[in-house]
Amino acid sequence: DQQVKQNSPSLSVQEGRISILNCDYTNSMFDYFLWYKKYPAEGPTFLISISSIKDKNEDGRFTVFLNKSAKHLSLHIVPSQPGDSAVYFCAASDWANNLFFGTGTRLTVIP
Amino acid sequence: EAGVVQSPRYKIIEKKQPVAFWCNPISGHNTLYWYRQNLGQGPELLIRYENEEAVDDSQLPKDRFSAERLKGVDSTLKIQPAELGDSAVYLCASSLDGTQREAKNIQYFGAGTRLSVL
Repeated sequence: DQQVKQNSPSLSVQEGRISILNCDYTNSMFDYFLWYKKYPAEGPTFLISISSIKDKNEDGRFTVFLNKSAKHLSLHIVPSQPGDSAVYFCAASDWANNLFFGTGTRLTVIP
Repeated sequence: EAGVVQSPRYKIIEKKQPVAFWCNPISGHNTLYWYRQNLGQGPELLIRYENEEAVDDSQLPKDRFSAERLKGVDSTLKIQPAELGDSAVYLCASSLDGTQREAKNIQYFGAGTRLSVL
């Protein structure tokens, strides 16, 4: 059973606007969450992370929000740029530091 | 600094043939992971090494898959014999073995080996 879910397979956004990518998880024991970005023919690249003791982490244009009670996190990209077009994976970590990935959301930023 | 290096990038074989993938992690990273990524899915962990020791291989199909990490650096993942369902991208990742949770969690991935079994 998928413990980390990304229910939107794709998202299209105009350049300069905000991109919001969503992720839900089912295991309440997850305590660390990460977002990875993947370009075609490359491996996933770490983007940003958040500990379960926080509800927000910001790094430049990227902000991750965590709602523990809802078991939901989101990635905000603002402003979106064409170079942000990629597949974004949400991942959650258990006590053993194993990562569980979602199925990914393909973001397309339209110039 | 060089990233995680994997080879080959692509491999096409017929079913029942053996195949092997090689991974060189980032220098100084003690933890090494092998993942399998099926089409349209996220990566799924196959095996994790702490130095030379396989600390989690619960998801590795041991009847046909094997892995080794000699000297705690490079690693090889082998499938023998390959089946049609093994077609996927095989990703290697590495991370620091630090005391900081964040450092330990950030895994750096190679570009992967795309395997096609015909």
